[in-house]
Amino acid sequence: EAQVTQNPRYLITVTGKKLTVTCSQNMNHEYMSWYRQDPGLGLRQIYYSMNVEVTDKGDVPEGYKVSRKEKRNFPLILESPSPNQTSLYFCASSSSGRADTGELFFGEGSRLTVL
Amino acid sequence: QKEVEQDPGPLSVPEGAIVSLNCTYSNSAFQYFMWYRQYSRKGPELLMYTYSSGNKEDGRFTAQVDKSSKYISLFIRDSQPSDSATYLCASGGGNKLTFGTGTQLKVEL
Repeated sequence: EAQVTQNPRYLITVTGKKLTVTCSQNMNHEYMSWYRQDPGLGLRQIYYSMNVEVTDKGDVPEGYKVSRKEKRNFPLILESPSPNQTSLYFCASSSSGRADTGELFFGEGSRLTVL
Repeated sequence: QKEVEQDPGPLSVPEGAIVSLNCTYSNSAFQYFMWYRQYSRKGPELLMYTYSSGNKEDGRFTAQVDKSSKYISLFIRDSQPSDSATYLCASGGGNKLTFGTGTQLKVEL
């Protein structure tokens, strides 16, 4: 089954404790991206990657890091989480190689709470 | 001003009603227009995709884009309880895709 898998689905952590949210897709997609979803603000892009070893900032990259060492994986790293990073996070991938010209396949989301 | 504006609702309609969901966008460079549907506790999934102005129909769903007024619409005919979800419009160009905040729809029996 074609899918984007995120882990963990739910996480409660404390300020400053480094964490990684993993994302893996099995569709051989070049393009992958991370979004956060907040009430009243909608989906906002954090980082994206057009292919292996190529990543770029989205609209809200502050406080986040990413790496793309393999085509299938695109982890999101919070080096020192803060309460304003409490949010619902989605990983997505696309067959088109871009966000705007093809279907984005989303994971089921990771709900992060930073105390 | 947000690049894509969407009324958050919530919108509640009886089963069988025609539903109209709307968005406006501000960036004239946007060429691609999409509607995503998001069920509770799930990721968004693509519902409709259009390029430039015009209408596109898929079953009970019709997407409409008017580039002259920068208006994006989604019409749902014969709405069903299974249509209850949040609908996100999205617009893009130049490798950038911007989402609206989503409209929460509930279709009641």
